[in-house]
Amino acid sequence: AQKITQTQPGMFVQEKEAVTLDCTYDTSDPSYGLFWYKQPSSGEMIFLIYQGSYDQQNATEGRYSLNFQKARKSANLVISASQLGDSAMYFCAMRGLGNTPLVFGKGTRLSVIA
Amino acid sequence: DVKVTQSSRYLVKRTGEKVFLECVQDMDHENMFWYRQDPGLGLRLIYFSYDVKMKEKGDIPEGYSVSREKKERFSLILESASTNQTSMYLCASSQSSGYNEQFFGPGTRLTVL
Repeated sequence: AQKITQTQPGMFVQEKEAVTLDCTYDTSDPSYGLFWYKQPSSGEMIFLIYQGSYDQQNATEGRYSLNFQKARKSANLVISASQLGDSAMYFCAMRGLGNTPLVFGKGTRLSVIA
Repeated sequence: DVKVTQSSRYLVKRTGEKVFLECVQDMDHENMFWYRQDPGLGLRLIYFSYDVKMKEKGDIPEGYSVSREKKERFSLILESASTNQTSMYLCASSQSSGYNEQFFGPGTRLTVL
C-alpha cells in the first residue's frame, strides 16, 4: 500500500519569493509515480508535475520543480517566483506499480501575500 | 481539449433520498474514479473502474455503489443519503498506460439535510 504525508497544513509566502511544499511517501513497490496537483478556491484539480521513480533528473514545468530524493522518500514541490494566483490547496499524490489509483496526501494550503 | 464533466456543481438532498452523481469523460479513458474530499482529510477513494461493467472498492465504499454501463460514463449512487455523506465529490479519469495522470471533473458539492 502507498501512503503520502504532507506535514504542512498551511503556509504563507511573500509574492516573488520561492516556496517549498513538503511531501514524503511510503511504498514497497519498486516502480512508482509521484504527482502534484493544485486546487484553487474554484475547486477544480489541476495537474502540475510528474516524477517517475526511475527518472534520473528532477522534473520541472515552468515555475514548478519537483525535488525528488529517493533515498529519503521525499518529493517536495518548489514554486519559484510566487504569484498571487498560486494561492491554493496543493496535493501530493502517488501511484504504485502498474495501473493503480492515485493515493493523495491531505494537502497544504498555500497563501501568497502581496 | 480533454474534459471530465459532472452532472451538478451543487446538490441538496434530504436524508434517505437516493442520489445519483454522474460523470462523463470524452478522452476514451479506460479508468474512472470517484473521490470524496473533506477538509483536513484530503481526497479519499470511494470506487474505481478499469473497464465497462467493472468496479473495484476504494478506501471508503460503505454507503455507496457505482455503475459503469458505458466507457465514458461512471455513476456514483448513494442508496439512502445520510448527513455524513455531505461532502465534495470529485470524479476523475485516466489512461491505463503511461504514467496514468488523472484528469478531474469540476466536482459536486453535495449537502444532505
